[in-house]
Amino acid sequence: QVQLQESGPGLVKPSQTLSLTCTVSGGPITSGSYHWSWIRQPGGKGLEWIGRIHTSGTTKYNPSLMSRVSISIDTSKNLFSLNLNSVTAADTAVYYCARDMDDSGYDYWGQGTLVTVSS
Amino acid sequence: AIQLTQSPSSLAASVGDRVTITCRASQDIDSVLAWYQQKPGKAPKLLIYDASTLESGVPSRFRGSSSGTEFTLTISSLQPEDFATYYCQQFNTYPLTFGGGTKVEIK
Repeated sequence: QVQLQESGPGLVKPSQTLSLTCTVSGGPITSGSYHWSWIRQPGGKGLEWIGRIHTSGTTKYNPSLMSRVSISIDTSKNLFSLNLNSVTAADTAVYYCARDMDDSGYDYWGQGTLVTVSS
Repeated sequence: AIQLTQSPSSLAASVGDRVTITCRASQDIDSVLAWYQQKPGKAPKLLIYDASTLESGVPSRFRGSSSGTEFTLTISSLQPEDFATYYCQQFNTYPLTFGGGTKVEIK
């Protein structure tokens, strides 16, 4: 059974970098043709797609965040990571990692981690 | 970016009711659309993908359909555990986008 688990600081200061990791268990992160994604949800609001990385290493980002975001994969540790720099209060949200195969929906999700941007 | 407009934004229904949620895409998305259910404090759960394919383990009372750029999620007989917020999402074009959500509440 595949499981995803987000980890990282719950509080980040404005203008600093938000860094999260998503550890994948239950199978190699490189098996199959999967995309590994980051999605966020501000309190009481809807879902926003941040970006994703394919097992081949190809990345795609939301243009609204593209200048500030990067996603990477560490196959040796079976995890992928999110870096979002120059954060503001508008980046406060629950951040989810998730997996999809061949654009057939996100079938596995982490439980989500709340990141608050505040001084 | 492709806009997904969900309607209604909220609805109140009773157990046993038939519920229909609509998701309208701003352009053709070739039916590469998924539906999710989200309960408070939880991650979304995949219900339907490719507009009409039921995810494994999801009850058959959930059904997805499409007509052009209009997509529909139907719950044939609402159960107590179905009270939640539902989102559509398209995978056809970057950036991937979600609808604004439909909250299904108890009448």
